[in-house]
Amino acid sequence: AQSVSQHNHHVILSEAASLELGCNYSYGGTVNLFWYVQYPGQHLQLLLKYFSGDPLVKGIKGFEAEFIKSKFSFNLRKPSVQWSDTAEYFCAVNDGNYGGSQGNLIFGKGTKLSVKP
Amino acid sequence: GAVVSQHPSWVICKSGTSVKIECRSLDFQATTMFWYRQFPKQSLMLMATSNEGSKATYEQGVEKDKFLINHASLTLSTLTVTSAHPEDSSFYICSAPLAVGETQYFGPGTRLLVL
Repeated sequence: AQSVSQHNHHVILSEAASLELGCNYSYGGTVNLFWYVQYPGQHLQLLLKYFSGDPLVKGIKGFEAEFIKSKFSFNLRKPSVQWSDTAEYFCAVNDGNYGGSQGNLIFGKGTKLSVKP
Repeated sequence: GAVVSQHPSWVICKSGTSVKIECRSLDFQATTMFWYRQFPKQSLMLMATSNEGSKATYEQGVEKDKFLINHASLTLSTLTVTSAHPEDSSFYICSAPLAVGETQYFGPGTRLLVL
């Protein structure tokens, strides 16, 4: 069965620290990969996505993620976090044969990031 | 700004009553919308795909008679939780792609508490 694992439930960092959030998926075929962010009191927003091509994907607000097919991973990184990055981050995957609009997104449980000013 | 809205944002109801949740696409037409459910400290789980002009497609294990979906227009999908019970208490989120092949945009969610 398809699944997405996010290794950290809650990460606490100080401002300017570097961030890496782990995401591993279990799926046998071609995949699309996503990171969504949910700021306190707000709806889910797309941070970045990978469909094909360069496995290093750059998203909004200085975030990037690297797709490593051999490791079934799509870790999210940011070199220097800010207090405003405090939010919950969700990794998601869906079947790459159907395009990004398909609803069968499989989500991880989310990682809560708290950045101390 | 938000491209998908939901109403209400939260609702408390008595066991046995029905609750309707609306999902609207703002300034774009969505032939397809998706309904998710999120339990505390758990991931979002797709419940069903709402299709304008046709029946919704439900995921395995989701009771279609319990969770009625109506995609009345190209900008509105509704989810009705019929005869709600405390175990239906959850966070319900809808999403819609701006266009075919585009990434989904999510609504702000509706928190349902059934007493």
